[in-house]
Amino acid sequence: DVKVTQSSRYLVKRTGEKVFLECVQDMDHENMFWYRQDPGLGLRLIYFSYDVKMKEKGDIPEGYSVSREKKERFSLILESASTNQTSMYLCASFSPFGQGTGELFFGEGSRLTVL
Amino acid sequence: AQSVAQPEDQVNVAEGNPLTVKCTYSVSGNPYLFWYVQYPNRGLQFLLKYITGDNLVKGSYGFEAEFNKSQTSFHLKKPSALVSDSALYFCAVTTEDTGRRALTFGSGTRLQVQP
Repeated sequence: DVKVTQSSRYLVKRTGEKVFLECVQDMDHENMFWYRQDPGLGLRLIYFSYDVKMKEKGDIPEGYSVSREKKERFSLILESASTNQTSMYLCASFSPFGQGTGELFFGEGSRLTVL
Repeated sequence: AQSVAQPEDQVNVAEGNPLTVKCTYSVSGNPYLFWYVQYPNRGLQFLLKYITGDNLVKGSYGFEAEFNKSQTSFHLKKPSALVSDSALYFCAVTTEDTGRRALTFGSGTRLQVQP
């Protein structure tokens, strides 16, 4: 089974702190994603990466950056956390059609609270 | 651009009754459709998908979904609901042309099954 592991399930940070959210997948997927989930808004794509050191902005990249130094690891960075970044963050990896099943495989989520 | 609509924020059903969670989509080209379920404070879990073939797709936990191309719908169904089915359900769509961006999600529908 594909396993996507998010290192922190719950975090509490203060406004202005730098926050790192780490995600590791074990299926050698090239594509990895960071979503943000808020009630009534569904999942919104923050950033995605389709190869090591390659990244693209999603729909809501402002206030976030990402790092992909190794294929299995994709990190989300909040340079200066703000209260409106309090949310559930979901990491996922992807097996595209033609190479796999077209499914997204999700981690358990990281619930971030910014005070 | 592709999109997914889940018109109901919440669906309430009594245990033992059939349930339907609605989803409509908009894409250019042939859709690939997915349903995911999320239990409290967890990541999303794959339920089922439609790629091609039979319009009625069977998935995990007794769920099924019917693809209707003329109505651009992919409603999730179960003949007899269980209290343990109470969760948040997401419909998602992609196409072969979507490439690296993977899935577009609806806003989610909360299913509440009463004993």
